[in-house]
Amino acid sequence: DAGVIQSPRHEVTEMGQEVTLRCKPISGHNSLFWYRQTMMRGLELLIYFNNNVPIDDSGMPEDRFSAKMPNASFSTLKIQPSEPRDSAVYFCASSWGRGQGSEQYFGPGTRLTVT
Amino acid sequence: AQSVTQPDIHITVSEGASLELRCNYSYGATPYLFWYVQSPGQGLQLLLKYFSGDTLVQGIKGFEAEFKRSQSSFNLRKPSVHWSDAAEYFCAGRIQGAQKLVFGQGTRLTINP
Repeated sequence: DAGVIQSPRHEVTEMGQEVTLRCKPISGHNSLFWYRQTMMRGLELLIYFNNNVPIDDSGMPEDRFSAKMPNASFSTLKIQPSEPRDSAVYFCASSWGRGQGSEQYFGPGTRLTVT
Repeated sequence: AQSVTQPDIHITVSEGASLELRCNYSYGATPYLFWYVQSPGQGLQLLLKYFSGDTLVQGIKGFEAEFKRSQSSFNLRKPSVHWSDAAEYFCAGRIQGAQKLVFGQGTRLTINP
């Protein structure tokens, strides 16, 4: 079974450019999470979806960040315009349900560098 | 506010020695608790989880963790570490029935040969 797939694995862009990160969750999972990892702030939840609907976006830093989940097998996280302080590793995770059996499976991450 | 704290930022142990990584939580009720491991350049892999019942839980790679309600702790242990255990370890918690995970700051484990 394929795990959570993220693309690209590495992205280098210049300040002001638009960046789009992509995620394919594990088939059958109904929840999807976007995290950001930095040295200063650790792992932060940005937003999560349940059945393709955004449930909690309180972690999205500002209006430059947006996320969509048009269907159960695909999600994007977009930064427009990008800034150097957005440099981080962005993880996508997916899970099924919310009970005891529910655990999040993480993708390999996208390392974003904004110069 | 809900929080998970890992008091140790960096720990160094010798190969073959025992290991204990500390995790404390602050929740209104007993949360679901997890330990994840992150190898360099990789995503997070679940080591083990606690939901209820037996307070000593076994995980993958020879790890175990003990839930202690009186100390609000969920410490990770391994009797004998291997060089391949060098990684960053994250403790996380979530409210029962909710989906939002709160992570600790992580503990970086270095193994001396």
